[in-house]
Amino acid sequence: DSGVTQTPKHLITATGQRVTLRCSPRSGDLSVYWYQQSLDQGLQFLIHYYNGEERAKGNILERFSAQQFPDLHSELNLSSLELGDSALYFCASSVGGIRTDTQYFGPGTRLTVL
Amino acid sequence: KNEVEQSPQNLTAQEGEFITINCSYSVGISALHWLQQHPGGGIVSLFMLSSGKKKHGRLIATINIQEKHSSLHITASHPRDSAVYICAGVGGGADGLTFGKGTHLIIQP
Repeated sequence: DSGVTQTPKHLITATGQRVTLRCSPRSGDLSVYWYQQSLDQGLQFLIHYYNGEERAKGNILERFSAQQFPDLHSELNLSSLELGDSALYFCASSVGGIRTDTQYFGPGTRLTVL
Repeated sequence: KNEVEQSPQNLTAQEGEFITINCSYSVGISALHWLQQHPGGGIVSLFMLSSGKKKHGRLIATINIQEKHSSLHITASHPRDSAVYICAGVGGGADGLTFGKGTHLIIQP
């Protein structure tokens, strides 16, 4: 158990819908990263928050947004869903950044868009 | 653009064999993470290194900065080591990790 929790574990929805994925980092970790893992693209970095502030964006679509709240949990919002958004979504937390600190991954949320 | 390439893509070995997985990376990447993804999908961070060598139990990771190459070794491999091993680079403009495609390892009893 990494100490990082993600909810829900599974999510099935239809095209055009909007969903919210939630991540609670390990106690004391200030950084939260979101990643997408799909069959064709593999793992990709989406976005990084540190202590409530957005620090970097990767391959995140404009239909996707995220935020980190004062209690440090984070939410990833996916809207106007398409079939291609079906993937595993992981969050990971660390004390600081990835240049110096180990990342701890959550169990992931499996999103299926029908 | 940061790039990370792994080899081999698939590896099947017998229990007890010494395993090596290789990772090459592009200029601009300053550190590497080695990750293990279990069949159930969970990801565990094994090592993070920017120079030299690290060891944890039967796992050893090395990195050669000049050659831009890293290796993950597993000694006395066991069926429970069967998983996908992923190297991921740190550096360049992106703040997140740049992932390799992974090596699917199967250790047969």
